[in-house]
Amino acid sequence: ILNVEQSPQSLHVQEGDSTNFTCSFPSSNFYALHWYRWETAKSPEALFVMTLNGDEKKKGRISATLNTKEGYSYLYIKGSQPEDSATYLCASTSGTYKYIFGTGTRLKVLA
Amino acid sequence: DVKVTQSSRYLVKRTGEKVFLECVQDMDHENMFWYRQDPGLGLRLIYFSYDVKMKEKGDIPEGYSVSREKKERFSLILESASTNQTSMYLCATKLGVTRNSPLHFGNGTRLTVT
Repeated sequence: ILNVEQSPQSLHVQEGDSTNFTCSFPSSNFYALHWYRWETAKSPEALFVMTLNGDEKKKGRISATLNTKEGYSYLYIKGSQPEDSATYLCASTSGTYKYIFGTGTRLKVLA
Repeated sequence: DVKVTQSSRYLVKRTGEKVFLECVQDMDHENMFWYRQDPGLGLRLIYFSYDVKMKEKGDIPEGYSVSREKKERFSLILESASTNQTSMYLCATKLGVTRNSPLHFGNGTRLTVT
């Protein structure tokens, strides 16, 4: 069973700050790494699906990188806004169906 | 956009009751999943289905069963609800078997078993 760990568990930042989170996963049998944003009372929303070592993906002010050899992914948020407040989940999979989720990073952006 | 609808947002049931959680999707995705989410733990896979009438156990199937009679509907059944099944339940779908395909989630059902 894969073990996916996310850090930090939670953080508070001021509006305008940039921040980043880490997702660590076992590097053997890597297939894909997913990032999701989960706002309170809403459904988790896919941010990125990353499959290749060295992948970098960007969506607006949010970007992510992937290192499959050492088993980590970083999620960056540039110029945080209050609407970025959410729990950010990562999930790793070694195949099509079984995803192992981390416990998430809870971000609170203070106005 | 994919729409994944879970029948109830909140549900309160008594110990021993049979409970049905329903999930319906409108985008013809082959794959459907049931997860539960508990404090301090990541989402855990209960069951998944890759086609009509096909089902596979996830990591924590004990105490649950599923039904997929139609492609768009995936039901999670608690045969005899117990208090340790109090949790947030999330349904998800996925298109095909490609590596780049993300999961699409419903809003979740918060089940309380008393």
